[in-house]
Parts: sequence; structure tokens; C-alpha cells
Amino acid sequence: GAGVSQSPRYKVAKRGQDVALRCDPISGHVSLFWYQQALGQGPEFLTYFQNEAQLDKSGLPSDRFFAERPEGSVSTLKIQRTQQEDSAVYLCASSLDDRGQPQHFGDGTRLSIL
Amino acid sequence: GENVEQHPSTLSVQEGDSAVIKCTYSDSASNYFPWYKQELGKGSQLIIDIRSNVGEKKDQRIAVTLNKTAKHFSLHITETQPEDSAVYFCAAYSTGGGNKLTFGTGTQLKVEL
Repeated sequence: GAGVSQSPRYKVAKRGQDVALRCDPISGHVSLFWYQQALGQGPEFLTYFQNEAQLDKSGLPSDRFFAERPEGSVSTLKIQRTQQEDSAVYLCASSLDDRGQPQHFGDGTRLSIL
Repeated sequence: GENVEQHPSTLSVQEGDSAVIKCTYSDSASNYFPWYKQELGKGSQLIIDIRSNVGEKKDQRIAVTLNKTAKHFSLHITETQPEDSAVYFCAAYSTGGGNKLTFGTGTQLKVEL
């Protein structure tokens, strides 16, 4: 497809379980971003990759959050030992160059922790 | 770091009227300001953006203005239509804050028939 693809669209997990969220960026896009969007709020930055290099992870809320992009294309955001406060929509965005302008977003994964 | 404030949080207009959404930012180093439209269950669609070397940009019914001195920028939608109903987010990109966007809290726009 032409856009950013995220899977799954919805994920329900029990507190304490690990989850993995996938992002397929637009083909050829150098930059990839993960954002977390709580209900009624704007997206908040989590982490940024330039190709396979994770250049900024300052937004990851705890060491339970881990992201990777091993081959510089598909990225996975993993959350270990999930907690209720992790419930949110997780958005992935990609950008053609290293400036991140503009960023094209996927439809997101809605994560619900029970 | 960057802080973006967005107003109003909700906006209701009659079809055909204009809608204006305003944002302010804190970091004078910010140089890129996109606007996104988010419809229920969908991701954020980029509708227009502006760079700091430009004061205004138009695309059909949508325009964005930027006042660097006052550190605020606005989205203007003219001749609103029901399909314009959505949540709109402004964002700012700061070169000093890494390659990331800082978003406002969103404006729920409702266009009534």
C-alpha cells in the first residue's frame, strides 16, 4: 500500500502481558516515529529512528517500552508487563528524509489493558 | 522543551461559515508547523503545513497563518462542509528538540447543517 500500515488495529491484553505493535512505513522513508495518544489528547512523542538507528528515545515512559527497526524499514514497539496506564492509541509516522517534514501517520493501534 | 497550546477545544459552526483554530508555541527555534485532521477510528491526515520563512499558505478552502514574533499560528477553513467535521491538531517542530513534533490538545470541529 501507499500509506503507513499498522497492525493490529486493536489489541486487548491483560495487565502484566507483553504486547508487540507493528509499523510498516511508506517504502523508502528514512525516518520513523512512534507516538502515544491518550483519549482526548494530542499525540505525544515516544521514539525516533533514522533508518535502523534509534536516535531519540527520550519519550519512552519507562524501561518496559522498547522499540526496534532492525533493517531500517518495519518497526516494532514492544511493551512488557503492561499496565492499565499503557492503554492508548499508538501511532506510527514516517518521513521521506531525515528532517521529519512532513510526517505521514498510520491509523494507529488502539491498545486496551484490562 | 516545546509547548503547544491550542484553542478552542470544541468549535461548532454552521455549514458555509468559516472556522478558525489557534495555536501558540513556546520554542522560538521551531521552524515547521503542520496541521492534522483526525477522523474517528482513523489516523492523522496532514492537511496543510507551513515553514517559518512563510507568513501564510493557502490550499483551496484551507489556509494557515504564522506570526513568528508572537509565536502563534492559525488554521482557517472557509465555506465549511459537514465532511470537515473532525478533530484538528496543530503541531510544532523544533530543531532544538530533536526530530519530533509537539502537538496541541486538539479541536473538535462540528459543522452543522
